[in-house]
Amino acid sequence: SQQGEEDPQALSIQEGENATMNCSYKTSINNLQWYRQNSGRGLVHLILIRSNEREKHSGRLRVTLDTSKKSSSLLITASRAADTASYFCASTSGTYKYIFGTGTRLKVLA
Amino acid sequence: GAGVSQSPSNKVTEKGKDVELRCDPISGHTALYWYRQRLGQGLEFLIYFQGNSAPDKSGLPSDRFSAERTGESVSTLTIQRTQQEDSAVYLCASSARRAVTRLNTEAFFGQGTRLTVV
Repeated sequence: SQQGEEDPQALSIQEGENATMNCSYKTSINNLQWYRQNSGRGLVHLILIRSNEREKHSGRLRVTLDTSKKSSSLLITASRAADTASYFCASTSGTYKYIFGTGTRLKVLA
Repeated sequence: GAGVSQSPSNKVTEKGKDVELRCDPISGHTALYWYRQRLGQGLEFLIYFQGNSAPDKSGLPSDRFSAERTGESVSTLTIQRTQQEDSAVYLCASSARRAVTRLNTEAFFGQGTRLTVV
């Protein structure tokens, strides 16, 4: 399978807590992107980190990238009930494909 | 519209019938992708268009699946003689892939077509 993997597969936290999800990929990359999916429909782009970057922030999101381990993590700080969704990483290499991970289902309890 | 549009939103079909799914990408986006997502699973790559050519069709599961694109515009994914295993959400995405650097930028997704084969 070309798919990357994410862990955990599912995560349940209380509102206000931080949520961390991890992604591993298989090939060298140009960049790695994180997407959010609500209710099993369209995905929304959250953040992109290039292969020469190690950390990036956007609002309550923090992404790290470790190319030596072929892994990335997404941290959502001060989570809200509205953050409940599935989160996917997508790696892009020298080809055109976005290779998606298997996703983490996040549930934030109010 | 400003986003990627897919139609129909939902489709229920009988086993053995053909279905056609449509995707209208964002205007000016040269790259267009089709993905399949089975319930509770990740996204499975089907096909990629750059302009109206499809350099990679390797993700199409069988010869029952085909896709075409008109210029840098509408794409249709056709599934012939549908099977129950084809039931899934079919997602289309477009991106303004930079041809010179060949770097993928952000992909914009439609809301998908939920196909149910009964």
